[in-house]
Amino acid sequence: DAGITQSPRHKVTETGTPVTLRCHQTENHRYMYWYRQDPGHGLRLIHYSYGVKDTDKGEVSDGYSVSRSKTEDFLLTLESATSSQTSVYFCAISGRERGQAFFGQGTRLTVV
Amino acid sequence: KNEVEQSPQNLTAQEGEFITINCSYSVGISALHWLQQHPGGGIVSLFMLSSGKKKHGRLIATINIQEKHSSLHITASHPRDSAVYICALLINTGTASKLTFGTGTRLQVTL
Repeated sequence: DAGITQSPRHKVTETGTPVTLRCHQTENHRYMYWYRQDPGHGLRLIHYSYGVKDTDKGEVSDGYSVSRSKTEDFLLTLESATSSQTSVYFCAISGRERGQAFFGQGTRLTVV
Repeated sequence: KNEVEQSPQNLTAQEGEFITINCSYSVGISALHWLQQHPGGGIVSLFMLSSGKKKHGRLIATINIQEKHSSLHITASHPRDSAVYICALLINTGTASKLTFGTGTRLQVTL
């Protein structure tokens, strides 16, 4: 077990409400990532972080923001959830030098 | 055009069969991951390859950097191997290493 947990694991929310997903790691890895997984698209990068307060956009970042105020936590926020953001969200951590990747268990988000 | 293509998309095999899943890509990479995802489950990295071949139990992964191609082989397949297998490219950028994923191969192994 790579010491990465996501919360919540499941969430149903209404359109227009804010939602925050949390990724917590105990491995002290520098790099953290948020992906979404949708049928037919595979996993796509939303945002990533390369250090505390250092974040950058991925390929599907519109409608999402992130924050990383400490090494162990990476938060993904949907400011105003839309039905198109219904998806399974995965957090991952990586040690760049070794290139290994470890994934959280995923969060299934449904926006109704 | 996708940077990474997997084939086949779906695969059904009988227990004991030898299975091959292919991954072709079109960009320069620093390494390639083979990932496994069970239904409703998380994602686990089976192998990370930058050259040659790796083996773990009944799983073998190979990569040919010049041809931009990798394969995942499962020998003596078993129903517990039923899962989605995902090829992911590790690409180093200025600030981080990023993974670009294939859409996966759904494997069903029957008795």
